[in-house]
Amino acid sequence: EAQVTQNPRYLITVTGKKLTVTCSQNMNHEYMSWYRQDPGLGLRQIYYSMNVEVTDKGDVPEGYKVSRKEKRNFPLILESPSPNQTSLYFCASSIGIPDTDTQYFGPGTRLTVL
Amino acid sequence: AQSVSQHNHHVILSEAASLELGCNYSYGGTVNLFWYVQYPGQHLQLLLKYFSGDPLVKGIKGFEAEFIKSKFSFNLRKPSVQWSDTAEYFCAGHPRGGYQKVTFGTGTKLQVIP
Repeated sequence: EAQVTQNPRYLITVTGKKLTVTCSQNMNHEYMSWYRQDPGLGLRQIYYSMNVEVTDKGDVPEGYKVSRKEKRNFPLILESPSPNQTSLYFCASSIGIPDTDTQYFGPGTRLTVL
Repeated sequence: AQSVSQHNHHVILSEAASLELGCNYSYGGTVNLFWYVQYPGQHLQLLLKYFSGDPLVKGIKGFEAEFIKSKFSFNLRKPSVQWSDTAEYFCAGHPRGGYQKVTFGTGTKLQVIP
């Protein structure tokens, strides 16, 4: 089944404790992206990647890191999480750039930073 | 700044009522536009998209949207809503061409009362 998977789905952590949220797609998509969803703010893009080893900042990259060593994986890293990073995170992928392709979204990761 | 805006934050309708959700964009030049739906507890799914051609776009589940360039709008419509349409709806877009980020609106929560 074609899908985007994220792990974990739920995570409660404490300030400053490094964490990684994994994202994987099995559709051989080139483009992958991370968003955070907050009430009243909609979805805001954190980082995106157009291919292996190519990443770029979205609208709200501060406090986050990403890597794209393999085409299928695009982990989101929070080196020192803070409470303002409490949010719902979505990973998405598309065949090419979103210019001409639909993005497929993962199920979301609900992160709480205490 | 390039953006997508949704002015209706929360809409409550009775079943069988007609729906129109507003979406405006502020990009110059040609633009790609999308409507996504997020059912409670689920991830985003594409409803419809506009890249070029017929400005009246038909999507899944009886939804349609009309691209009106002169008004910078891409409103979502459905002639008769059902209780199962209760969800949050997001408009998204970006300029066509080049490697551009997708920008999402803040979302509209639709509640359909049986």
